[in-house]
Amino acid sequence: KAGVTQTPRYLIKTRGQQVTLSCSPISGHRSVSWYQQTPGQGLQFLFEYFSETQRNKGNFPGRFSGRQFSNSRSEMNVSTLELGDSALYLCASSIDRAGDAFFGQGTRLTVV
Amino acid sequence: AQKVTQAQTEISVVEKEDVTLDCVYETRDTTYYLFWYKQPPSGELVFLIRRNSFDEQNEISGRYSWNFQKSTSSFNFTITASQVVDSAVYFCALSEAGINDYKLSFGAGTTVTVRA
Repeated sequence: KAGVTQTPRYLIKTRGQQVTLSCSPISGHRSVSWYQQTPGQGLQFLFEYFSETQRNKGNFPGRFSGRQFSNSRSEMNVSTLELGDSALYLCASSIDRAGDAFFGQGTRLTVV
Repeated sequence: AQKVTQAQTEISVVEKEDVTLDCVYETRDTTYYLFWYKQPPSGELVFLIRRNSFDEQNEISGRYSWNFQKSTSSFNFTITASQVVDSAVYFCALSEAGINDYKLSFGAGTTVTVRA
């Protein structure tokens, strides 16, 4: 059974640019969540999608957005990148509410 | 307010020693879920266990064991006879039922270093 797949694994972007990250959940999982991990703030929740609907959102500015497609794949977008957006972005999938949440390997974003 | 506290920032042990990682949580919900994850240097968060608030039974899986005590709001994790491959950052997390139940609140993590 394939795990959670995140692409790309590494990204380098310039301040002001925008970026799109992709997450393919485990087959059969309908919930996809996104987290940002930084040395200073640790692991922070960004948002969660279920059946193409955003059910919960963390305390991040509107520059952070996401969506989920009918096949449960999800994308997150960050516009007008700032240096502080440099982080490891992790995606997790689960079958449903509060189920076992499995994470992908993450996308490491560096903003220069 | 921080919902999950992992007081130990770093733990260093010699191989074959036991390691216990502390996790204290805070919630007003009566239904909630507790998790432990391992993050090796590769970066992926590896799921270890999920426990719901109604199940206080301790669990053992190989060299891993978990002690859940609602009375002290703690969910501690023990690695028995540690091995070098256990070196990683370990995170405890909480998911509350209700409007926030699709969100994991993580502790700051405990870095475990096992020396040969």
